[in-house]
Amino acid sequence: DAGVIQSPRHEVTEMGQEVTLRCKPISGHDYLFWYRQTMMRGLELLIYFNNNVPIDDSGMPEDRFSAKMPNASFSTLKIQPSEPRDSAVYFCASSRDRDSGELFFGEGSRLTVL
Amino acid sequence: AQSVTQLGSHVSVSEGALVLLRCNYSSSVPPYLFWYVQYPNQGLQLLLKYTSAATLVKGINGFEAEFKKSETSFHLTKPSAHMSDAAEYFCAVSDQGLTGGGNKLTFGTGTQLKVEL
Repeated sequence: DAGVIQSPRHEVTEMGQEVTLRCKPISGHDYLFWYRQTMMRGLELLIYFNNNVPIDDSGMPEDRFSAKMPNASFSTLKIQPSEPRDSAVYFCASSRDRDSGELFFGEGSRLTVL
Repeated sequence: AQSVTQLGSHVSVSEGALVLLRCNYSSSVPPYLFWYVQYPNQGLQLLLKYTSAATLVKGINGFEAEFKKSETSFHLTKPSAHMSDAAEYFCAVSDQGLTGGGNKLTFGTGTQLKVEL
């Protein structure tokens, strides 16, 4: 089976531009998570979905960030407008069930905002 | 809310030596605890997990961890390090007991393991 697929792997953009990160979870996984990883703050949970419905978005930093999951096989994380402090690696992860704690991570999208 | 603290952001061992990576947790309820590994330019991968069954948990690649409630610890060990073990290791705790909370993980700051010849 294919793992979690993220695109793009690398994105360099100018401050103020819109950024869209994409994720395809593992087929059959009902939970999808967006994490952000930085040297300063480590791994932070931004938002997670269950059956395409956002369950907890308390980690989303501010209104510039939005996430959607229009169907079971696709999710996006959008930053508009982007700022240099948004530079980070953004990971998408999926999970099959509620309580296993086993998350399958994609390879990440490295975002650099100049 | 639960949290984990990883002692030592960098650990260096010789190949063949014991690996010990430390993790202490804070939780008001019995926690679920996890160790994940991240190889360069990759996502995280589950090594092992504790979910209130046996206190000594065995994982992949020869790693194991012991849950010690009295010490609020969940240290990761491996008897003999291999060069391929060089990676970053993350301890995590979940908000089990909440709806869907078993998968809402809070990660520690990570420990970079270096294995030297």
